[in-house]
Amino acid sequence: NAGVTQTPKFQVLKTGQSMTLQCAQDMNHNSMYWYRQDPGMGLRLIYYSASEGTTDKGEVPNGYNVSRLNKREFSLRLESAAPSQTSVYFCAYGGVNSNQPQHFGDGTRLSIL
Amino acid sequence: RKEVEQDPGPFNVPEGATVAFNCTYSNSASQSFFWYRQDCRKEPKLLMSVYSSGNEDGRFTAQLNRASQYISLLIRDSKLSDSATYLCVVNPPDRLDMRFGAGTRLTVKP
Repeated sequence: NAGVTQTPKFQVLKTGQSMTLQCAQDMNHNSMYWYRQDPGMGLRLIYYSASEGTTDKGEVPNGYNVSRLNKREFSLRLESAAPSQTSVYFCAYGGVNSNQPQHFGDGTRLSIL
Repeated sequence: RKEVEQDPGPFNVPEGATVAFNCTYSNSASQSFFWYRQDCRKEPKLLMSVYSSGNEDGRFTAQLNRASQYISLLIRDSKLSDSATYLCVVNPPDRLDMRFGAGTRLTVKP
């Protein structure tokens, strides 16, 4: 997806393992977001970053940490993966004011066994 | 009550049909609204913003009813390529993040 790159595309972990999902945007946008999407549910916000150096909790932050490394990059870390974290994770940028939409990367499909 | 609610469907319609989806939201102070489209195993993509006076983009028409707290999406002359899940998105006041409905699944059949 032009503008946002997520890596990896797929990952399988064992319970208790850790990993970092990477996201980079080349749109020079201040705001970035991490969402998870589970079957039958809307996307839920995990964390967001309104600008470089700031991060805030979203709706479902437990079990996750984030780092806004610079304006381009916003990473999501699972310190000790749990099966309940099996999901599709989307990174997004945009929405600096209420009339601007967000734009998404193509997702990371994560399975925790 | 969920912040954003949609009928999950599925809606199965023939090519050429007109189909409408509604979405209700709970926060009356919400200021901005969007429809996204999501294909199977893909990322959500912006379909259109929803403006207070209603707006149209080709075969797609979006409307907002603040009094009843719902937004709608009308698709005319459905194409096979319209088959997807349509997500209703609402931006709560004073927040950068958005609230997503779980989506309405549409299948257009020949």
